[in-house]
Amino acid sequence: AQSVTQPDIHITVSEGASLELRCNYSYGATPYLFWYVQSPGQGLQLLLKYFSGDTLVQGIKGFEAEFKRSQSSFNLRKPSVHWSDAAEYFCAVGAEAAGNKLTFGGGTRVLVKP
Amino acid sequence: DAMVIQNPRYQVTQFGKPVTLSCSQTLNHNVMYWYQQKSSQAPKLLFHYYDKDFNNEADTPDNFQSRRPNTSFCFLDIRSPGLGDAAMYLCATSRGRSSYNEQFFGPGTRLTVL
Repeated sequence: AQSVTQPDIHITVSEGASLELRCNYSYGATPYLFWYVQSPGQGLQLLLKYFSGDTLVQGIKGFEAEFKRSQSSFNLRKPSVHWSDAAEYFCAVGAEAAGNKLTFGGGTRVLVKP
Repeated sequence: DAMVIQNPRYQVTQFGKPVTLSCSQTLNHNVMYWYQQKSSQAPKLLFHYYDKDFNNEADTPDNFQSRRPNTSFCFLDIRSPGLGDAAMYLCATSRGRSSYNEQFFGPGTRLTVL
């Protein structure tokens, strides 16, 4: 069965600073990987996804993620954080064999300091 | 804009009193999902419909049921809500069951059980 680990529960970053959120996955085949963002009281919005090809993936809102098969990682980055990036971020792996079931990591809550 | 709509956004019910949550979509997607998200936790898939084909997760309690009368609508019925069922309930849709298909999430319904 697939699993996702997000080691950091909370991260605090200053506005304008860079951000990196860690994600490690476990899956027997080639994974489909996703990053979602959830603002307080809202649903999930897809930031970016990796299926195959170029291991550096560009997403919305200035985010990017890099797939590293050797490290089973899919870390999310943003060069310069804005106050509006304060939210919870979820990494997820999709299991083709399980009917597009998404397995989410526990989430990382990002706080942005002025 | 095509979207996933959930009503109501906030629902309060009493312990043991049946409650129904609603989801509708204008995306004409074949698959609809229901997730439960407890406070500070990752979303957890309860079940999904592929067209009229219902797929229940193995660990979803019998207390949770779902109906999909047509392509656009899907309902989550909680027959006898307990205090532990208080959570955010997220509806999502995707075009197909392959993990290649992005899941689009609604804003969620926050359920309070008194």
